[in-house]
Amino acid sequence: GQNIDQPTEMTATEGAIVQINCTYQTSGFNGLFWYQQHAGEAPTFLSYNVLDGLEEKGRFSSFLSRSKGYSYLLLKELQMKDSASYLCASRPDSNYQLIWGAGTKLIIKP
Amino acid sequence: DVKVTQSSRYLVKRTGEKVFLECVQDMDHENMFWYRQDPGLGLRLIYFSYDVKMKEKGDIPEGYSVSREKKERFSLILESASTNQTSMYLCASRKQGSRIEQQFFGPGTRLTVL
Repeated sequence: GQNIDQPTEMTATEGAIVQINCTYQTSGFNGLFWYQQHAGEAPTFLSYNVLDGLEEKGRFSSFLSRSKGYSYLLLKELQMKDSASYLCASRPDSNYQLIWGAGTKLIIKP
Repeated sequence: DVKVTQSSRYLVKRTGEKVFLECVQDMDHENMFWYRQDPGLGLRLIYFSYDVKMKEKGDIPEGYSVSREKKERFSLILESASTNQTSMYLCASRKQGSRIEQQFFGPGTRLTVL
């Protein structure tokens, strides 16, 4: 079967660092996406990993281990505006469908 | 700036009504998607279209149909709305053959069926 797991909710403090994990089991693999979704808004693209390793983009980094079926999103210097849901999605093959996780709701406290 | 728009942010319909949800993108993207998003579940694909007049069923097509007569527009139709179709509906588009092929989403339509 095809499955994506990520924690339902996480809480972190403003200015701190948080790591959101995602594990996937899909029939094939052609890349992993992270999206951010603020409440009541559209998901917006954050990152894409297809090779093992860490991709850094400002305060956000995304890591992939293909052999472990594992990814994480790392958010540094947390700001209140980072309060959102973070969606992980695996692309099993080169066609159109993505397999989506249920999302991790991140709550930032002052 | 890339843009995907949806015809309504909020919609309230009665059981048995025919419902049309419209999605328009201005990016000349080939691929378009309709998802529904429910609490505790990932985005679930209803239908997608890889080009004009082309459509493919996703994971949960029952009770829905789609239309793609023009490249920029992808419509989702609920032939006879039911209460279990109360949900957030998200449209997305994607440029086929781009380096990453990420999907761009519209703001969503929150549909309530009474």
